[in-house]
Amino acid sequence: SYELTQPSSVSVSPGQTARITCSGDVLAKKYARWFQQKPGQAPVLVIYKDSERPSGIPERFSGSSSGTTVTLTISGAQVEDEADYYCYSAADNIGVFGGGTKLTVL
Amino acid sequence: EVQLVESGGGLVKPGGSLRLSCAASGFTFSNAWMSWVRQAPGKGLEWVGRIKSKTDGGTTDYAAPVKGRFTISRDDSKNTLYLQMNSLKTEDTAVYYCTTVVGDVWGKGTTVTVSS
Repeated sequence: SYELTQPSSVSVSPGQTARITCSGDVLAKKYARWFQQKPGQAPVLVIYKDSERPSGIPERFSGSSSGTTVTLTISGAQVEDEADYYCYSAADNIGVFGGGTKLTVL
Repeated sequence: EVQLVESGGGLVKPGGSLRLSCAASGFTFSNAWMSWVRQAPGKGLEWVGRIKSKTDGGTTDYAAPVKGRFTISRDDSKNTLYLQMNSLKTEDTAVYYCTTVVGDVWGKGTTVTVSS
């Protein structure tokens, strides 16, 4: 089995840049996705293939990858971006989520 | 409208069984690889398993905690995904989501509670 490690929490003020990291050996050879989840709601895909943004996701969301770490960047974070964020990857036909990062914007 | 709707959740005793369903609409279900993901109360997302499309073999893979107890299947004629859960444990208590493997479509989830 393998693991993806995220910080448990990140806090920024509105308008600042939020960066959430996700680390794991599998990320050196497999793409990552990022999901946003607000309380009581299903997750929403915000980044796939490390840095691709689905249609309808604001441009302030971006992703990058370097070695065994991927990073979700929210440029000019807004209050409505406050949520839990999860990275995800898969290898050997098994999927795994990171533990999740609670982003606070206030 | 692209949609996934789960059903079948409920309260079950430890050792019991439950079958969840996920009705798909608005996309070509038969071509989609599908997954189940769960979330225990107050916890993070956990990948449960995945089934490929029949044209890609229809094979399944499972997370270690559920392997041998849970079975994912699909009925493309009904556009429906299933999760058969046997030998349920208290730690299986969670909201269960169905989703496309790509992750671009999720249902709202159905709640499974395993308790005596």
